[in-house]
Amino acid sequence: QSALTQPASVSGSPGQSITISCTGTSSDVGGYNYVSWYQQHPGKAPKLMIYDVSKRPSGVSNRFSGSKSGNTASLTISGLQAEDEADYYCSSYTSSRTLVFGGGTKLTVL
Amino acid sequence: EVQLVESGGGLVKPGGSLRLSCAASGFTFSSYGMNWVRQAPGKGLEWVSSISSSSSYIYYADSVKGRFTISRDNAKNSLYLQMNSLRAEDTAVYYCARDLVWRMDVWGKGTTVTVSS
Repeated sequence: QSALTQPASVSGSPGQSITISCTGTSSDVGGYNYVSWYQQHPGKAPKLMIYDVSKRPSGVSNRFSGSKSGNTASLTISGLQAEDEADYYCSSYTSSRTLVFGGGTKLTVL
Repeated sequence: EVQLVESGGGLVKPGGSLRLSCAASGFTFSSYGMNWVRQAPGKGLEWVSSISSSSSYIYYADSVKGRFTISRDNAKNSLYLQMNSLRAEDTAVYYCARDLVWRMDVWGKGTTVTVSS
């Protein structure tokens, strides 16, 4: 199972919005609404930010939103803040009854 | 407080074995599926294995199939990962994570496995 494709890095200034893409195939992202996004700060465990494509867990800021079109899912962060600087990973259920992660995107807040 | 605590990591030689444990607390462990996810040094996340609440369904990544075995003991609120025939590429931080229909909402802090001669 190949990893989902994410940009290696994105950046934005405080207050701006950024979008991170996550491209898979019809056997994973495009075939199921089980796409999740995780935030990971250096040396810390990942944190669930978005699940089922666009749902937010309790306690996650509404500045984080998710969407999907075809085989590509997206995470948008609006009103960028310094604490958003982290690595972000998408994941998707697959037709092989497994889970696959994206390669990760490093977000830099300028 | 909902908590997962991994243990059992360490240094092992190629071809060796190791058993990881994950102790759960603060929630009804027997009601949830569980996962193991690993992260090699400086690399991204890699899903390793999943087990359903009653152990009826078990899944593995191709990279560990036939070498790793996931199991759980609901009476002890514990998750395990038996790792055999270890390779250098298995070197990673191993996280256990609670599963909610293919999303992981609670993670442990991880335990480090190093495979080296």
